[in-house]
Amino acid sequence: AQSVDQPDAHVTLSEGASLELRCSYSYSAAPYLFWYVQYPGQSLQFLLKYITGDTVVKGTKGFEAEFRKSNSSFNLKKSPAHWSDSAKYFCALEGGGSNAKLTFGKGTKLSVKS
Amino acid sequence: AQTIHQWPVAEIKAVGSPLSLGCTIKGKSSPNLYWYWQATGGTLQQLFYSITVGQVESVVQLNLSASRPKDDQFILSTEKLLLSHSGFYLCAWSLGRGASDTQYFGPGTRLLVL
Repeated sequence: AQSVDQPDAHVTLSEGASLELRCSYSYSAAPYLFWYVQYPGQSLQFLLKYITGDTVVKGTKGFEAEFRKSNSSFNLKKSPAHWSDSAKYFCALEGGGSNAKLTFGKGTKLSVKS
Repeated sequence: AQTIHQWPVAEIKAVGSPLSLGCTIKGKSSPNLYWYWQATGGTLQQLFYSITVGQVESVVQLNLSASRPKDDQFILSTEKLLLSHSGFYLCAWSLGRGASDTQYFGPGTRLLVL
């Protein structure tokens, strides 16, 4: 079985601060990991993914994420944060099954105060 | 460039009534297609996937069905809606069956069942 945990339901920080959203996963083999962002009332937008290779992956909107096999984490980072980053962020894992099923975490709602 | 269109944008339906939601992909031939469901404020759950015309696999049983009548079209339906069907329905596509393929989401359809 595969699972994704985003332990922080809400994160609030000030504009200009560094943000780090936590994501941990459980999967018996090499995972494929994704981050998506959902702005209020909108669909999901792809930010970045880790497949293999470099453990730090860069994505759109100035985001990057670091894959750490040692503690099964894939945290999303950005510095500095901007008020327009306020949204809900989802971490997802794809385990390589025939259905390419994405297993999503419950999401972290980020509020950046200007 | 690929575009994904979902219809309708929103629906308010009565319990027990039928439902049909549609998704169309333009600009990509033979995409993999997916249906996801998001409860209000919740995470996303894959419902169906399809890798070719006429072939649909069910991932979660929610008294819904899906069909792929054309290469670029994916339909989600039910004959009898339940209150629990309320939520946000997202169609997604990817290039192929590789587990590392990124899934891109459509704008979604909001459904309220009363």
